[in-house]
Amino acid sequence: QSVLTQPPSVSGTPGQRITISCTGSRSDLGAGYDVHWYLHLPETAPKLLIFGNNNRPSGVPPRFSGSKSGTSASLSIAGLQAEDEADYYCQSYDNSLSGSTVFGTGTKVTVL
Amino acid sequence: QVQLQESGPGLVKPSQTLSLTCTVSGDSMSSGGHYWTWTRQPTGKGLEWIGHIDPRGSTKYNSSLKSRVTISIDTSKNQFSVTLKSVTAADTAVYYCARSSSQENYYFDYWGQGTLVTVSP
Repeated sequence: QSVLTQPPSVSGTPGQRITISCTGSRSDLGAGYDVHWYLHLPETAPKLLIFGNNNRPSGVPPRFSGSKSGTSASLSIAGLQAEDEADYYCQSYDNSLSGSTVFGTGTKVTVL
Repeated sequence: QVQLQESGPGLVKPSQTLSLTCTVSGDSMSSGGHYWTWTRQPTGKGLEWIGHIDPRGSTKYNSSLKSRVTISIDTSKNQFSVTLKSVTAADTAVYYCARSSSQENYYFDYWGQGTLVTVSP
């Protein structure tokens, strides 16, 4: 089964806009499956940030946005804040073999 | 508000069986419309999907774990469980239960806090 590829780390200064990429293949993002994004702080439950490529659950601020095109997706964070320092994961579905939910490799966001 | 809570031993010996239970509150598992899932995060690594179960008991597993894992459900207790046989140090991880939507390409909307399971003699 596939694994979605993310950059290990992304950094930015407060107020800056950053983007995290998520690269898949023909059997997951390229097959038309949606991508979802999570924020994860150590020793806490992951939090859903974006579902269905670009939809925010209630309570997630609009400075978080998502997009998808072909075999790639991205999460953007505008107006970066210190509290955004966390790990971020993309997630989708892979239809190879018997089908499987797959996560990205994870990106550590550091606020400088 | 939907809440999930994992419970079970924090230490398991190599070759033995890991067993965890997730208790759900704020939602009736038997009402349908959701899958109930397990995901883990080995120390220093990323998230790994283990599998899911629906209220009728139908399951789907990560192919890399399929020979060793079983997920079961008890809707009368609003609980679901995971067992992993023949564990090794590589199974040391924080284990999370979560609720998901019920389509093929689902997302996880509510998660438990996670429980650390260490495999060690």
